[in-house]
Amino acid sequence: GAVVSQHPSRVICKSGTSVKIECRSLDFQATTMFWYRQFPKQSLMLMATSNEGSKATYEQGVEKDKFLINHASLTLSTLTVTSAHPEDSSFYICSARGSGRGAPYEQYFGPGTRLTVT
Amino acid sequence: GQNIDQPTEMTATEGAIVQINCTYQTSGFNGLFWYQQHAGEAPTFLSYNVLDGLEEKGRFSSFLSRSKGYSYLLLKELQMKDSASYLCAVMDSNYQLIWGAGTKLIIKP
Repeated sequence: GAVVSQHPSRVICKSGTSVKIECRSLDFQATTMFWYRQFPKQSLMLMATSNEGSKATYEQGVEKDKFLINHASLTLSTLTVTSAHPEDSSFYICSARGSGRGAPYEQYFGPGTRLTVT
Repeated sequence: GQNIDQPTEMTATEGAIVQINCTYQTSGFNGLFWYQQHAGEAPTFLSYNVLDGLEEKGRFSSFLSRSKGYSYLLLKELQMKDSASYLCAVMDSNYQLIWGAGTKLIIKP
């Protein structure tokens, strides 16, 4: 149980275009979803936290107009990278947290999306 | 500020034991997590400690001392597949996870 999927797993796009990444909790209701970015050989960097039905809370330094997050249901959150540039190339990982599952406040991670902007 | 420290890289031999340390300074404490991350993949949960002491789970054990702000992950009977990064993360008073930079573990035959 506690499976989180992410789609697509890899995407290559041209500079200036937008890319949408989906994160789904398959067998539980995710009250909170998190979006992380990870550059090579670095740790996870939290970008934003979203609760179903409310606006996402962005971490300092993350542009909310560039990284649009929607958490419309208890099983789906989306991250849209708008007007992508090569410096946005990274590994984007979502995680989900549901009440009553696993260790207290444990986050279940999706498999990640490798974004390459050319 | 909040800070999690763990070694950048460690090397160990197949079949041996390795201990990965993590020290932390955070605003509040609601538990410490260890995750394993293979290259190019997402992290997977290994352990959670909220009380002092040792939690054992198969070949992996995790220890916590809240008074010292210290934890370690102990891996026994190392296998080649254990080569990965090991991430220490502390949940602060706001229930936010504060992540360490990860320890890259290299297993040699």
